Amino acid sequence: DGGITQSPKYLFRKEGQNVTLSCEQNLNHDAMYWYRQDPGQGLRLIYYSQIVNDFQKGDIAEGYSVSREKKESFPLTVTSAQKNPTAFYLCASSNRQGAVYEQYFGPGTRLTVT
Amino acid sequence: GDSVTQMEGPVTLSEEAFLTINCTYTATGYPSLFWYVQYPGEGLQLLLKATKADDKGSNKGFEATYRKETTSFHLEKGSVQVSDSAVYFCALSDGNQGGKLIFGQGTELSVKP
Repeated sequence: DGGITQSPKYLFRKEGQNVTLSCEQNLNHDAMYWYRQDPGQGLRLIYYSQIVNDFQKGDIAEGYSVSREKKESFPLTVTSAQKNPTAFYLCASSNRQGAVYEQYFGPGTRLTVT
Repeated sequence: GDSVTQMEGPVTLSEEAFLTINCTYTATGYPSLFWYVQYPGEGLQLLLKATKADDKGSNKGFEATYRKETTSFHLEKGSVQVSDSAVYFCALSDGNQGGKLIFGQGTELSVKP
């Protein structure tokens, strides 16, 4: 089955530690994205990548880093510089069809930092 | 900048009731519009989309029409089921920033038997 996998589903870390969230897709999509979701809010874009070895900051990139060494993988590192890291993190991928990007989402990783 | 506004929830309906969730947007260009659904503890699933004015997106009994004159994309369903209980997100993409989606805050729907 084609899709997007994120692991782990739940992640617990102590304050001051960096943590890396995994995102893998086998849809052969060029573009990949990371969003953050906080309770009662919509999603906000952290980083996106349209092609291997290239990525761009989204609206809330501070305290996060990414890499895109392979087409199918787009890991997100939450660094100790992120002031409020506890959130639900969603990875997505898409292919461009004309001017339209139809994004598909993974199941998410819930990160709790104490 | 571009933005999306949804009606506040939670919305509580009885099974087989008619559903409307309002969504309006602000955009400088001609965005594509989407509805996503999120079940508890899960990621988002694309429910339907419309890419130009007067387009109607539909899926699983849900419909939404892209109204440029009122900048709206309201979600409707004629007869809801308990299994439709979820959070619904309206979103737009203007094709910039790699197709970034701009989301509304979400509307929680609870359907009672």
